[in-house]
Amino acid sequence: GQSLEQPSEVTAVEGAIVQINCTYQTSGFYGLSWYQQHDGGAPTFLSYNALDGLEETGRFSSFLSRSDSYGYLLLQELQMKDSASYFCAVRDSTAGNKLTFGGGTRVLVKP
Amino acid sequence: NAGVTQTPKFQVLKTGQSMTLQCAQDMNHNSMYWYRQDPGMGLRLIYYSASEGTTDKGEVPNGYNVSRLNKREFSLRLESAAPSQTSVYFCASSEGGRGYEQYFGPGTRLTVT
Repeated sequence: GQSLEQPSEVTAVEGAIVQINCTYQTSGFYGLSWYQQHDGGAPTFLSYNALDGLEETGRFSSFLSRSDSYGYLLLQELQMKDSASYFCAVRDSTAGNKLTFGGGTRVLVKP
Repeated sequence: NAGVTQTPKFQVLKTGQSMTLQCAQDMNHNSMYWYRQDPGMGLRLIYYSASEGTTDKGEVPNGYNVSRLNKREFSLRLESAAPSQTSVYFCASSEGGRGYEQYFGPGTRLTVT
């Protein structure tokens, strides 16, 4: 099976940088996705890493190290609207198109 | 372009009652999914449909059934609701081969008393 670990909560101030780590265990790793979910809302896709390295999308970046079974989501120039939960999710070769989600990291941005 | 739609938005059931949650997508996606999310937790896959006519169990399928009615629609049925099924249910879809990028509906908030 698969398992993922990510911190439960992170607090930071506006303008700061936050890094959300995700470690995973899976038998046939394909890639790591990140999703954002505001309170009461639906998850929305942020990024996907299948290869080692950093992928940048505006203020958000995602990193993957396949050898370390580790990835992170970097939120830069934090804004109040970034207060949300962030989930990592693994896709593995034994599960086809299915994803296994982590428990989520709640990010609270303070003024 | 509505994306993924779900009905109803809210539902209260008594233990033992049955109901069907409806989901439809207008993005011509092959794959569709049903998840449940309990308070403060991640998403757990209930059932999955890779394409029209196929369904597969996920992590927590017990107590649920699904129907992939056509390419657009994927319904979830609770035959005999239990309090443990109180949760928020999300439907999602993705293009074939791009399961890492799923599009979610707004969710159904279900309470079983």
